[in-house]
Amino acid sequence: GQNIDQPTEMTATEGAIVQINCTYQTSGFNGLFWYQQHAGEAPTFLSYNVLDGLEEKGRFSSFLSRSKGYSYLLLKELQMKDSASYLCALMDSNYQLIWGAGTKLIIKP
Amino acid sequence: EPEVTQTPSHQVTQMGQEVILRCVPISNHLYFYWYRQILGQKVEFLVSFYNNEISEKSEIFDDQFSVERPDGSNFTLKIRSTKLEDSAMYFCASSGQLWGAFFGQGTRLTVV
Repeated sequence: GQNIDQPTEMTATEGAIVQINCTYQTSGFNGLFWYQQHAGEAPTFLSYNVLDGLEEKGRFSSFLSRSKGYSYLLLKELQMKDSASYLCALMDSNYQLIWGAGTKLIIKP
Repeated sequence: EPEVTQTPSHQVTQMGQEVILRCVPISNHLYFYWYRQILGQKVEFLVSFYNNEISEKSEIFDDQFSVERPDGSNFTLKIRSTKLEDSAMYFCASSGQLWGAFFGQGTRLTVV
């Protein structure tokens, strides 16, 4: 079967750095995605990892370790607009997305 | 930049009525999906569609639901007889296989 775990909620301070972890178990793997979702809006694509290592994209970076079934999303120089839910999603061998429950990130001034 | 578009953005319907939610996926994508999200809850998979047929569906996608790709560009979700618990955001997504799913802005369905 497949399973994805990520923390329910995290709090961080404006200007700081936060790391959101995601662990997963799966029999088939075609990549791991991070999405951002503001309340009442659609998820928007942030990053995609299929090989081990770090992918950097501006203030956001995503890391994958396939052997450990582990990924994280790193957000630097946090801004108030980064307050959102961050969804980890696994693409299985049938190209279906399996969603985590999301991590609600609260940014405080 | 290509995008997935959904209409309407908000639909209010009476319990027991039929609704059709419409989506125009990104044109060169091959996989199409419907997801829903009840307020405050996680995104839930409903159905995926590939090569003009359903490739996978969840337990939520019962006989009240159907999908269609009537003309090669639109992708619709029909709910035959809506229930109060069908109230949710419904997201259409399309995928070019290895780049995840790109989402439309959603249709907020309110069943009263």
